[in-house]
Amino acid sequence: SQKIEQNSEALNIQEGKTATLTCNYTNYSPAYLQWYRQDPGRGPVFLLLIRENEKEKRKERLKVTFDTTLKQSLFHITASQPADSATYLCAPYKYIFGTGTRLKVLA
Amino acid sequence: ETGVTQSPTHLIKTRGQQVTLRCSSQSGHNTVSWYQQALGQGPQFIFQYYREEENGRGNFPPRFSGLQFPNYSSELNVNALELDDSALYLCASSLEGAHYGYTFGSGTRLTVV
Repeated sequence: SQKIEQNSEALNIQEGKTATLTCNYTNYSPAYLQWYRQDPGRGPVFLLLIRENEKEKRKERLKVTFDTTLKQSLFHITASQPADSATYLCAPYKYIFGTGTRLKVLA
Repeated sequence: ETGVTQSPTHLIKTRGQQVTLRCSSQSGHNTVSWYQQALGQGPQFIFQYYREEENGRGNFPPRFSGLQFPNYSSELNVNALELDDSALYLCASSLEGAHYGYTFGSGTRLTVV
């Protein structure tokens, strides 16, 4: 069965710094991989989708990379703000989500 | 364009009872999937409906069942509730075949006592 690993410990960073979150997966490489943001008590919100033939994708302050050799995706938030504090989930396979990494941006 | 709406937002049930949760899909979406999310965990896939038929199921027992209606809204039914069924239940809609993310509702918080 597919196994997904995200940083299980919370990530605390200072405002203005770049946050980097990791998503590792096992087994076959997916055709695409998604990242979501989830705030406490709310449903996940879709952020970005990256396809297997795309090495990098950007959206405003967000950047996602996808390395099918390493079976890893990195999610970056540049110039982080306290409002970016949330749990970030990766979904490398259809229907299957990681446990998420909780990010806290300190003012 | 409306998003995904779930009802009720909170629910308390007794062990052994049955519950029905409801979901209205985002306009233009024809697929709905249901997830269970325990505290501190990622969403766990229950099943997906497309064209009113179940076309994918996760590792959940048959007492978890669902329906999709012609207007693409959906229900999740859980029979013989157990304490471990306490969780946030999320509905997500999407367009089958389109490679973009799911649109989630805010969820129903179910507590089984």
